[in-house]
Formats: sequence, structure tokens, C-alpha cells
Amino acid sequence: ETGVTQSPTHLIKTRGQQVTLRCSSQSGHNTVSWYQQALGQGPQFIFQYYREEENGRGNFPPRFSGLQFPNYSSELNVNALELDDSALYLCASSSILAGLNNEQFFGPGTRLTVL
Amino acid sequence: AQKITQTQPGMFVQEKEAVTLDCTYDTSDPSYGLFWYKQPSSGEMIFLIYQGSYDQQNATEGRYSLNFQKARKSANLVISASQLGDSAMYFCAMRGRIQGAQKLVFGQGTRLTINP
Repeated sequence: ETGVTQSPTHLIKTRGQQVTLRCSSQSGHNTVSWYQQALGQGPQFIFQYYREEENGRGNFPPRFSGLQFPNYSSELNVNALELDDSALYLCASSSILAGLNNEQFFGPGTRLTVL
Repeated sequence: AQKITQTQPGMFVQEKEAVTLDCTYDTSDPSYGLFWYKQPSSGEMIFLIYQGSYDQQNATEGRYSLNFQKARKSANLVISASQLGDSAMYFCAMRGRIQGAQKLVFGQGTRLTINP
């Protein structure tokens, strides 16, 4: 069973640039969630994708957008980067059929630094 | 809305001792789930244990157990016989719903350090 993978592991960008982060979900999982974890904080929910559509979004501006592909992998795009976007971005996959537990399995994260 | 509170920013424990990490929660949903995750310095969130609000017994997974007190809205993690490899950040989380999505709401975390 292949776990959740993310790329790249580290990224440095400058303010105003755009970035794309990638996530491959665990085998058999059809749902992908993205979280932002600022230094010293718990992860914050950005959005979730199911059947290639966004089915829920947290308190993040529209410059945070995403995609899900037919193979359930996903991208997180952030436009017009700001210094506060510096964080660890975590991707989590789950199965909508898993029932009440619906455990989310996390990838290793992408650490984004905005200068 | 759901909220998780972890009041211990850091804990220091001697190896082989048991440790309890505190977690209190707030929700108006009658059905909910509580999770504990471990995050080593590498960054990956590792699932440890799950407790459903209607589960009759406290969850256990190897050295991890969850002291679930529903009336007090607490879900403390107990690690028995701590090991050096247990040193990490620990997060309590609650399953919440937003629009059509199931999300996790996390607390601020507790940094656990195991001393030899």
C-alpha cells in the first residue's frame, strides 16, 4: 500500500510569486484535504476535494485554489504569495466510504518559505 | 463550531514513565470523533488513536490509551512506558464538518520531551 506523497519537500519563493504544491493520495482513497501549519501552531483546514470538486473550504482567501485529478491526486495553488504564507502545507487523504472514523492519512508536507 | 484546547505547551518526562497529555474540546454536535496525532520534527502527522463519541469503552492502541470523559469534554492521551522516540509534538483533533467536507480541527499541540 503506497502512502501519501507530496512534492516538493521544500520551496523558497518571493512575495508576489505563485506556487503549486502536489499531493498523491494513498491507494484506495478518493478524498484529499489540504492544511496549512504555521510555525508553532496546529494545522488549519484550507479545503477538501472529492470527485474532482471542492466540497468544503476553510477561512482562506480565493488566491488559494486547488485541483483534483481523475487518479485522485491533487494540487494546491497559491497566487500573489505573502510573507504570512510561509508554513508547512500538509496534504491528507481519506476515503469517503470509510464511515464515521474516516481517518485522514497525512503526507510528509511541503515547507514553503516566502521571502 | 468545534474547538480543541491543549493547555500544556511542553512536557518533560523521564524515560519509562507514563505521561498524560491533556485535551479538552467543545462542540454542539451529538456525534463526533476525536483523534490524536504525533508530529516528529520531520513534519509528518502520524495517526495514533481515535475515539468516537458513542464508543462505550476508552480507545487503546498498544502503549497509547485515551482517557475519554464525555461529561467533562476531555480526551486525554496516556502514553505508558515512554520511550526516547516518543519525543515529538502531539496534537489533539476533532472531526468537524464544513459545507460537504469532513475536516479536522486541531489544538495548538504539546511538545513532549523524553529524557534518558
